[in-house]
Amino acid sequence: QVHLQQWGAGLLKPSETLSLTCAVYGESFSAYYWSWIRQTPGKGLEWIGQISHRGSATYNPSLKSRVTISVDTSKNQFSLNLTSLTAADTGVYYCARETTLVGANYWGQGTLVTVSS
Amino acid sequence: DIQMTQSPSTLSASVGDRVTITCRASQRISSWLAWYQQKPGKAPNLLIYKASTLESGVPSRFSGSGSGTEFTLTISSLQPDDLATYYCQQYNSYPYTFGQGTKLDIK
Repeated sequence: QVHLQQWGAGLLKPSETLSLTCAVYGESFSAYYWSWIRQTPGKGLEWIGQISHRGSATYNPSLKSRVTISVDTSKNQFSLNLTSLTAADTGVYYCARETTLVGANYWGQGTLVTVSS
Repeated sequence: DIQMTQSPSTLSASVGDRVTITCRASQRISSWLAWYQQKPGKAPNLLIYKASTLESGVPSRFSGSGSGTEFTLTISSLQPDDLATYYCQQYNSYPYTFGQGTKLDIK
């Protein structure tokens, strides 16, 4: 059974950097895309980007200048860094497994991130 | 970016009713559309992919149809457990985009 477990700091100040990590259990890391999706009061569900097991990443152009998604295949983990945070980045961040056939069929539990001074 | 527009934004229906939610894409996306159900405090859960294929374990009262730019999600007989917000998502082209959601209330 596939299980995604995510963690990271939930309370950050403006201009700081968000760092989240997602561990994948019960599934081979290869042959899938590993994604980050967030849900904010302002924009609803927003696809941040995805990475392949080989490390090839695709980002949402609206966030591309601030986002880095990386992968550690030795640990079956992938991570999200989002820089220069503002209050508009406040929301719940999810990791997910995506395929080109079905979309996102496994999700992490979500991490509430609050950006406040 | 491809814009996804859902209607209605909110919907109130009774147990046993047939419910239909519509999703329109601003460009043709073939059948690369997914529907998700999200309950309060939980991650979205995949219901349907490729516009009409039911994800494993999802009750058969859920169905999807459409292609191109117009899609529908239908619940054939509404159950109390279906209280949730429903989202469509296109995964035809990057960046993948979601509809704004349809909140379903049970009367």
